[in-house]
Amino acid sequence: GAGVSQSPSNKVTEKGKDVELRCDPISGHTALYWYRQRLGQGLEFLIYFQGNSAPDKSGLPSDRFSAERTGESVSTLTIQRTQQEDSAVYLCASSLVVGARSAAFFGQGTRLTVV
Amino acid sequence: GENVEQHPSTLSVQEGDSAVIKCTYSDSASNYFPWYKQELGKRPQLIIDIRSNVGEKKDQRIAVTLNKTAKHFSLHITETQPEDSAVYFCAASKSSGYSTLTFGKGTMLLVSP
Repeated sequence: GAGVSQSPSNKVTEKGKDVELRCDPISGHTALYWYRQRLGQGLEFLIYFQGNSAPDKSGLPSDRFSAERTGESVSTLTIQRTQQEDSAVYLCASSLVVGARSAAFFGQGTRLTVV
Repeated sequence: GENVEQHPSTLSVQEGDSAVIKCTYSDSASNYFPWYKQELGKRPQLIIDIRSNVGEKKDQRIAVTLNKTAKHFSLHITETQPEDSAVYFCAASKSSGYSTLTFGKGTMLLVSP
């Protein structure tokens, strides 16, 4: 696609429910990153994929968070038993390859509100 | 892992003045340093990047400098305009081994007319 696409753009969920956030990277981009941004805060790293593998999951806040990527394309970030502190904008970015050889571009984000 | 510090957290300038935002990084293996601009409610947009084989890069009113020895890099915006008002994030990455983009905490730049 022309850019990184995330869906839904907004999600309101009740505390305790599970949510699934989707990221469609730029076609051909092998690296994919998930970040969380709380209101007025910086970009908190969650996880990144090189192909379908996730070399580093250390940023995931708890075992309620998981992510997967299939076909070196779409990625989903799943949050189980959502809590109010999960409310944030979840941003996905992709790059042609990981690291210094390629710039990363962001999607528009999914704004998650847990009520 | 990499740690990126960014200063100042807020910066207010008058239109036409210059603005400088500074970042330091901890991992000497980092060799790629992008800067992102995030307007309110929008996604971060890449505005300029620099790789460690160069010391400075310019694009119109924006320039980035890199000092590998001191492990710091800076964003310079000249002739600031109100539309430059946004949050700016620096980041660091490397091309070998495990690498992700590690961001600074951001600088809110306010340009007053």
